[in-house]
Amino acid sequence: KQEVTQIPAALSVPEGENLVLNCSFTDSAIYNLQWFRQDPGKGLTSLLLIQSSQREQTSGRLNASLDKSSGRSTLYIAASQPGDSATYLCAVRPPGTYKYIFGTGTRLKVLA
Amino acid sequence: DTGVSQDPRHKITKRGQNVTFRCDPISEHNRLYWYRQTLGQGPEFLTYFQNEAQLEKSRLLSDRFSAERPKGSFSTLEIQRTEQGDSAMYLCASSFSGGGAYEQYFGPGTRLTVT
Repeated sequence: KQEVTQIPAALSVPEGENLVLNCSFTDSAIYNLQWFRQDPGKGLTSLLLIQSSQREQTSGRLNASLDKSSGRSTLYIAASQPGDSATYLCAVRPPGTYKYIFGTGTRLKVLA
Repeated sequence: DTGVSQDPRHKITKRGQNVTFRCDPISEHNRLYWYRQTLGQGPEFLTYFQNEAQLEKSRLLSDRFSAERPKGSFSTLEIQRTEQGDSAMYLCASSFSGGGAYEQYFGPGTRLTVT
């Protein structure tokens, strides 16, 4: 059974720091992995999607990497800003299904 | 197109009442998903439609829950005889199947409180 874990559960950093959020999954057989952002009480905003054949994706200050064989993905945020404060969720899609299995998220606070 | 929309955004109901939520996906998306999220947890998959066909259901979807997508456009999720344990955020997402990554786009959610 696929399980997704995100560490740390919460993180507080000063503005301007570069930071890394971690996501691990127990079964390396995935179709893709997607990172989302969720503001309190809101829906999810898609950040980056990495196909199983890809190693990384970049969008602006965000870079996501995927090491399928070790069951890990990282989300790198450069030059963090207070507006980056949110919960970051990763989700994997197992093969043969279209559903996502989510981690419990990392709650990020960037201090001004 | 402004994305996935959900209605209502908030619903407070008494235990035992029935509730229905609506989801309008992004117009060209033929796949639609329902998830449930409780406080401090990630979303959990409930069910998935391709066009009007319900192709996958989670064991979380008890017989009190029913979802429809009658014309392959909007979808409804009904909960009958609500229980306090049904209190959660209900999220809808959609994706396009026409080649590519099948990225899922989420709506703002419907927050259900059962008193």
